[in-house]
Amino acid sequence: EDKVVQSPLSLVVHEGDTVTLNCSYEVTNFRSLLWYKQEKKAPTFLFMLTSSGIEKKSGRLSSILDKKELSSILNITATQTGDSAIYLCAVVPYGGATNKLIFGTGTLLAVQP
Amino acid sequence: DTAVSQTPKYLVTQMGNDKSIKCEQNLGHDTMYWYKQDSKKFLKIMFSYNNKELIINETVPNRFSPKSPDKAHLNLHINSLELGDSAVYFCASSQDQGAHGYTFGSGTRLTVV
Repeated sequence: EDKVVQSPLSLVVHEGDTVTLNCSYEVTNFRSLLWYKQEKKAPTFLFMLTSSGIEKKSGRLSSILDKKELSSILNITATQTGDSAIYLCAVVPYGGATNKLIFGTGTLLAVQP
Repeated sequence: DTAVSQTPKYLVTQMGNDKSIKCEQNLGHDTMYWYKQDSKKFLKIMFSYNNKELIINETVPNRFSPKSPDKAHLNLHINSLELGDSAVYFCASSQDQGAHGYTFGSGTRLTVV
């Protein structure tokens, strides 16, 4: 069965710290991997990764995919309290009409002032 | 303008009741989904519709019935509600059947008492 695992499950850091969140997957016919940030409501899109080794960057956030290791990391530098959220990793397998997102369990990040 | 809107945002109801959650998207996307997020924040797909046609139907009790009157709407009807149905239900939409990620609604928190 397709599976996405995230670690750590939760993390508490202080403002200014750098964090690395991990996502590993076991998916038949991998197509792409996505990172979402979920605060109180809807998950909001951060990155989509399809190619190994190419870093995607948006401000203090960056992410990279390693298809050989079947994993991805999400880095957040100089964390702020506004980064506190659940970070969700999801994988899209090829499947014709069944391109569903398979989510990991998420990493709960708490950034303390 | 809200891209994916769900109503109601909160729903508290007694066991055994029947309830509906509505979802509308104004993005012109061709595919819509229902996801369930449990108390551990794990998001799992329930249904997917592409142009009003049911594409994904995961292992969900028959008490859950999606209805898509047109490609901009996907409603979820739940019969004979049980305590275990308590969760946050997210509607989402995508283009290209989800290959490039989803846009999520803000969720409906269902509490069955």
